[in-house]
Amino acid sequence: GAGVSQSPSNKVTEKGKDVELRCDPISGHTALYWYRQSLGQGLEFLIYFQGNSAPDKSGLPSDRFSAERTGGSVSTLTIQRTQQEDSAVYLCASSRSGTQNTGELFFGEGSRLTVL
Amino acid sequence: GQSLEQPSEVTAVEGAIVQINCTYQTSGFYGLSWYQQHDGGAPTFLSYNALDGLEETGRFSSFLSRSDSYGYLLLQELQMKDSASYFCAVPRSNYQLIWGAGTKLIIKP
Repeated sequence: GAGVSQSPSNKVTEKGKDVELRCDPISGHTALYWYRQSLGQGLEFLIYFQGNSAPDKSGLPSDRFSAERTGGSVSTLTIQRTQQEDSAVYLCASSRSGTQNTGELFFGEGSRLTVL
Repeated sequence: GQSLEQPSEVTAVEGAIVQINCTYQTSGFYGLSWYQQHDGGAPTFLSYNALDGLEETGRFSSFLSRSDSYGYLLLQELQMKDSASYFCAVPRSNYQLIWGAGTKLIIKP
């Protein structure tokens, strides 16, 4: 696709349910990132993929959070047993290579998660 | 630790010039990025300064002083559509960006 695509754009769920968020990066981008943004706040790094590997999972808030990437393309972020504090916008970004040279990431529109 | 400081909010008048500052504290430095984010939208890349000096792209310019660990984004001929949050960010490694908390730019007619 022309840009990073995320689905669903909005998700309302009940506390304790599991949710899956999907990201389809720009074709040819080997690096994929997940961030979380709470209302009026900055971006919180969650996880980074290079190809299908996740060399850095240190940003995942708890073991309820997991992510995978298949075929060097689509990624899924899964949140198990959701809690109200998980409510946020989950942003996916991709880049052709690392960030050192250009500092440029391409973001999707995000998935807004509301946990009731 | 590594951190970036930027003002939480800046107000300016349509047609005017505004400067949004960012100071950073990092171990190892590659460059300074700026992103724009409209309410409910995705962050979009504006600029990246790896070297000292001013980079101009249309109405937007970005400046970096590595010796002062300081940079700024300059917006000229402000338009109402420039109302947004602006984030500075620095690469901490080849894959991770450290982000400032963002500056909300309010433009008055």
